[in-house]
Amino acid sequence: QSVLTQPPSASATPGQRVTISCSGSSSNIGSNTVNWSQHLPGTAPRLLIYTNDQRPSGVPDRFSGSKSGTSASLAISGLQSEDEADYYCAAWDDSLNGWVFGGGTKLTVL
Amino acid sequence: QLQLQESGSGLVKPSQTLSLTCAVSGGSISSAYHSWSWIRQPPGKGLEWIGYIYHNGSTYYNPSLRSRVSMSVDRSKNQFSLKLSSVTAADTAVYYCARGSYAYGLGYWGPGTLVTVSS
Repeated sequence: QSVLTQPPSASATPGQRVTISCSGSSSNIGSNTVNWSQHLPGTAPRLLIYTNDQRPSGVPDRFSGSKSGTSASLAISGLQSEDEADYYCAAWDDSLNGWVFGGGTKLTVL
Repeated sequence: QLQLQESGSGLVKPSQTLSLTCAVSGGSISSAYHSWSWIRQPPGKGLEWIGYIYHNGSTYYNPSLRSRVSMSVDRSKNQFSLKLSSVTAADTAVYYCARGSYAYGLGYWGPGTLVTVSS
């Protein structure tokens, strides 16, 4: 049971927009920033969003993040087949004094 | 570009100690602005943060694993290590190392290494 809650799956067709939610509590998302990463089998996870809504250099602007209260979301617009992957949210937790994660959302591009 | 690479024993017997190393390239492990974490993911399950270490050796471990975890840093080799004692099948997982910072969170990860606990 992950500390942050994500939907286990999401799907959309190429070109569409998809949103993935991440719900937490006051000790994590409610008081700290949220990161989103993309995980593909056999490769190093890739940071997509940091500090709620910032993109590292090299990440396309099709990826965007937002946060409100104890929830956050990742949006992917203009969906491409290469976006098919697992997506995880993460946040610092003040009670744990460490990182907590969502259970991951498997995105399928139909 | 910073890169991290995990290495170590892929098969560990129950009750023994799991040992992994994370080699850091393209950046210095001696940075005062970064922490160095271990994270694991059991098959079919979510991610679990194990703990982190700073370049000066200070550590913080997940309370759920604290009694069995030990981390160390070797600045001369630009790497850090994880030891997990008294392993059971529940410790079977892909183990990742990652760099953390206040600004970027867990910004860089290694590709992960599968450790299986089995006799």
